[in-house]
Order: sequence, then structure tokens, then C-alpha cells
Amino acid sequence: EVQLVESGGGLVQPGGSLRLSCVASGFTFRTSWMHWVRQTPGKGLVWVSRINDDGRTTNYADSVKGRFTMSRDNAKNTLYLQMNNLRVEDTAVYYCARATPTDSIDYWGQGTLVTV
Amino acid sequence: DIVMTQSPLSLPVTPGEPASISCRSSQSLLHSNGNTYLDWYLQKPGQSPQLLIYLNSKRASGVPDRFSATGSGTDFTLRISRVETEDVGVYFCMQALLTPPYTFGQGTKLEIK
Repeated sequence: EVQLVESGGGLVQPGGSLRLSCVASGFTFRTSWMHWVRQTPGKGLVWVSRINDDGRTTNYADSVKGRFTMSRDNAKNTLYLQMNNLRVEDTAVYYCARATPTDSIDYWGQGTLVTV
Repeated sequence: DIVMTQSPLSLPVTPGEPASISCRSSQSLLHSNGNTYLDWYLQKPGQSPQLLIYLNSKRASGVPDRFSATGSGTDFTLRISRVETEDVGVYFCMQALLTPPYTFGQGTKLEIK
């Protein structure tokens, strides 16, 4: 069974930092591209970032570029999102999610709440 | 960025009746490889989103056949042939053609009358 378990969310002051983690199991993590997607009540689902299978290529939404860094540790089956210089508008539930070869998102974690 | 627009935003439906949700993209989602990169997701109350439809019309694993999707270019439709109570939630379309960024529709909340 595919599982994605996020952690690391919490309450932080504007300008602060948080590091989210996502532990993956039930599939071959090291060959999977992964995403972070966030959700706010007012703005629905918003894609945040993507990382390729070996971690060498990352992409970010313009709203987080330069402040967020996505990384992975394939030996630990773990995905990370380092969030710096947090803003009030970064408040959201953050999901880690698995990409399919056809660029869909087929599995989502339960989400972790970040409140700035 | 491609803008995704859904309608209606709220959809009350009687169980057993059909339902349809529209999604429009600001640019064609047809790739030169012949695939159309449009997905549909359902977020049930209190849950994470789940993949329903990928590549415009392909049902994801385990999705009941009462769900179907059609469309081309910039206009897409998700249909439920006979709504069941377990289908309540928010439905999102998402484009995966011109990425990044991936972009989602605003969501359509399906509720039971």
C-alpha cells in the first residue's frame, strides 16, 4: 500500500522557517518524481514544487521561488520542503504527492498544516 | 500560466441522478504526442484529493465506471451517470501540459439534495 506521511507543520511567525518532511512507503521512491501541493480554503489547490527522481532537478511556483527548497533523500525514502522567509499567505495545508509517468498525481499524503 | 475555470462552483444533486462538471483551460491541453493532459480529482470531506481521471478520459485504478470524462482542446466535462452519496466532495480539474506550474480549477462542490 502506497503511503505518504507528512510532518513538520506548525505555527511560525512571519519571516520564520519550517522544514516539512514526507516519508514514503509502499512503492519505489527512488524512481518517482514527487510534488508538494498546498491548499487554502480561499484559493483551493496550488502547486508548489516538483523534484525529479534523483533530486537534481527542481521546479517551483513563482510565489515560493527563492524562499522554498525541495529536496529528497532516496536512502531514507524521504522528501523535504525547506520553507524560509515565510509569509502570511503561505498559510495552508501542505501535501506531498507522487507524480505518474503521464504527469498526473496519483497519491497524496494526508497533509500538514502550516500557519504563518 | 494556463488558467483553469470550472463551472458550476456548487452542484446540488439528487442521488441516482446524473451530474456534470465543466472545466475550461485558457490554452489547448493537446500535446503533439496526441495526449491531452487534463486530470480530474475528487476531494472527499476530510480527505486528501484522489485521482479520478487522467489524460482527459482514462479512469484511474479503482474508480467506478459511473465516472466518465470527455473533452478536447480547451473544453472538458466530467460526468457521473448516477450520483451516489459517497460522491460528495469537491471536484478539481488540473492541467499537466505546460508545466511547471501545474494549475488547478477552483473546484466544484457536489452536494446531495
